[in-house]
Amino acid sequence: EAQVTQNPRYLITVTGKKLTVTCSQNMNHEYMSWYRQDPGLGLRQIYYSMNVEVTDKGDVPEGYKVSRKEKRNFPLILESPSPNQTSLYFCASRGSVGTAGYEQYFGPGTRLTVT
Amino acid sequence: QQQVKQSPQSLIVQKGGISIINCAYENTAFDYFPWYQQFPGKGPALLIAIRPDVSEKKEGRFTISFNKSAKQFSLHIMDSQPGDSATYFCAASIGRRYSTLTFGKGTMLLVSP
Repeated sequence: EAQVTQNPRYLITVTGKKLTVTCSQNMNHEYMSWYRQDPGLGLRQIYYSMNVEVTDKGDVPEGYKVSRKEKRNFPLILESPSPNQTSLYFCASRGSVGTAGYEQYFGPGTRLTVT
Repeated sequence: QQQVKQSPQSLIVQKGGISIINCAYENTAFDYFPWYQQFPGKGPALLIAIRPDVSEKKEGRFTISFNKSAKQFSLHIMDSQPGDSATYFCAASIGRRYSTLTFGKGTMLLVSP
């Protein structure tokens, strides 16, 4: 089954304790991205990656890091989480235009609480 | 600066009625306009999308109307059903490069039985 998986699904942590949210897709997609969803603000892009070793900032990258060492994986790293990073996080992937079209496939989400 | 403005924030429609959600954009370089549907506890899923070379696209009970000159597009849900109750997001992207989606803030739709 074609899917984007994220782990963990729920995480409660304390300020300053480094954490990583993993994202993996099994569709051989080149493009992957991370979004955060907050009430009243919709979905905002954090980082995206066009391919292995190619990443770029989205609209709200402050406080986050990413890496893309393998095509299927795109982890999101919070090196020193703060309470304002409490949010619902989504990973998404998309194939190249002309093959899979423009559709982005989203993972199930990771609900992060930073106290 | 919000590039895609979505309204209303919430909408209550009776079963069998028509649900209408509107979006307006500012960047004339946008050339792909999808709508995503999100159920509680799930990630958004593509519902229907349109390119600016057509004014309307219909898939079942869902229709996108697109007005290029007004820079507006809307989602119409005909014969709305309780199972349509979800949050709907419009989005826009520039398709010739990596399609960074710019999302509207979402509309929470409740279809009453």
